[in-house]
Formats: sequence, structure tokens, C-alpha cells
Amino acid sequence: DVKVTQSSRYLVKRTGEKVFLECVQDMDHENMFWYRQDPGLGLRLIYFSYDVKMKEKGDIPEGYSVSREKKERFSLILESASTNQTSMYLCASSFGTGNLEVPYEQYFGPGTRLTVT
Amino acid sequence: AQSVSQHNHHVILSEAASLELGCNYSYGGTVNLFWYVQYPGQHLQLLLKYFSGDPLVKGIKGFEAEFIKSKFSFNLRKPSVQWSDTAEYFCAVTAGTWNTDKLIFGTGTRLQVFP
Repeated sequence: DVKVTQSSRYLVKRTGEKVFLECVQDMDHENMFWYRQDPGLGLRLIYFSYDVKMKEKGDIPEGYSVSREKKERFSLILESASTNQTSMYLCASSFGTGNLEVPYEQYFGPGTRLTVT
Repeated sequence: AQSVSQHNHHVILSEAASLELGCNYSYGGTVNLFWYVQYPGQHLQLLLKYFSGDPLVKGIKGFEAEFIKSKFSFNLRKPSVQWSDTAEYFCAVTAGTWNTDKLIFGTGTRLQVFP
């Protein structure tokens, strides 16, 4: 079974703090993703990585950065947390499609509910 | 830009009622379509997917979805819901023929099933 784990289920941080969210997958997937999930807005892609040290901005990258030093690990960094970053953060991974047109399923972690006060 | 619309934000049903959740997408080219489900307190997981071939696809737990290209739709159906189907359902589409790694998600439909 594919397993995607996230470092914390719940996190409370103060405004201005630097926050690290960690995600690890055990299926040797090329792709890893960070989403935020907000009521009424669905899932919005923050950043996407298709290989080690490679990253691509998603739809809402402002205020976030990412790091992928190893294939299995993808970190989301909030450089200076703000209250509008209070949200559920979901990590996902999938095999890369390469030149194929058929996408591979994304597997999701349990999520980290971040509260910034 | 691609977009996905789920017009039903909150659906309330009694057990044994039939379910249809709407999903429409905006892209006119080749698409790959997914339905994901998130049960309370659980991971988002794949319910079913459509890549090509038979436009009626069957997924887990008795769910099915029909791809209607002319209507840009991929509606999810289940003939008889159970209390355990209470969850949030997300429709998703790939972001274009040459960018199939990324998914665009709809805003989700929250389904509540009462015994």
C-alpha cells in the first residue's frame, strides 16, 4: 500500500513564525504536491515537485516555499506565518507521466491542520 | 485556464435514496477525470477515474460516473446511498494534454446521509 505521511496532524503557530510541514512517501513516486484545503474552495495547489530539487509553482504559491532534497520527502515552508494561512494542508504523491498522456493517481496524506494565531 | 465546477455544495439524503453529484469542466481537449472522496477524519482517496473508452466508469463502493463529452460533464451516481457514504466528494481533471501530472479540483460537495 502506498503511504504518504505528514509530520503533524495539528499545529498551532504564532504570526510571524517560520513553519515547516514535512511530507514523506514510500512508493518511490517522482511527483509530490502540496495543497491547501479550505471550506468552499476545494483543494488548491500550492507547489508541485516532479523530481529532486525541482519545483513548480501552483495556483497559490505566495507566502510559501518548498524544498525537495530527497525523492521521498517534500517540505512546505511558511517563511513568516500569517493568520490567512490557517488551513488544512494536504500532501500528495504520484508517479510521473513522462511522455504519457495518462496520468497516475495521486495518493494523499492525512493532512495537517495549521492554526496561526 | 481549466476549471472544474461542482454546483451542489451540500446534499442531504436519506438512506436508500439515489445520488447524483454534478461535475462540469471547462477544457475542450482531451481530459482525464477523477472523483475523490474524503470520509470524516480520513485521507482523500480515489473513488473512480476516466481516461478513455467506455464513458460509464465504475468505482469502489457501488459508485459510477458518466463522461458526457458534449456536456463537459462527469457526474457521479449511486443508486442507493448508505449512511457510510457521508463524506465530501471532489471532482478533478488533468490540467491539459501535455500537463497530466497536475490535477485541478472542484470546490467539493458535502454529502450527508441520514438513516
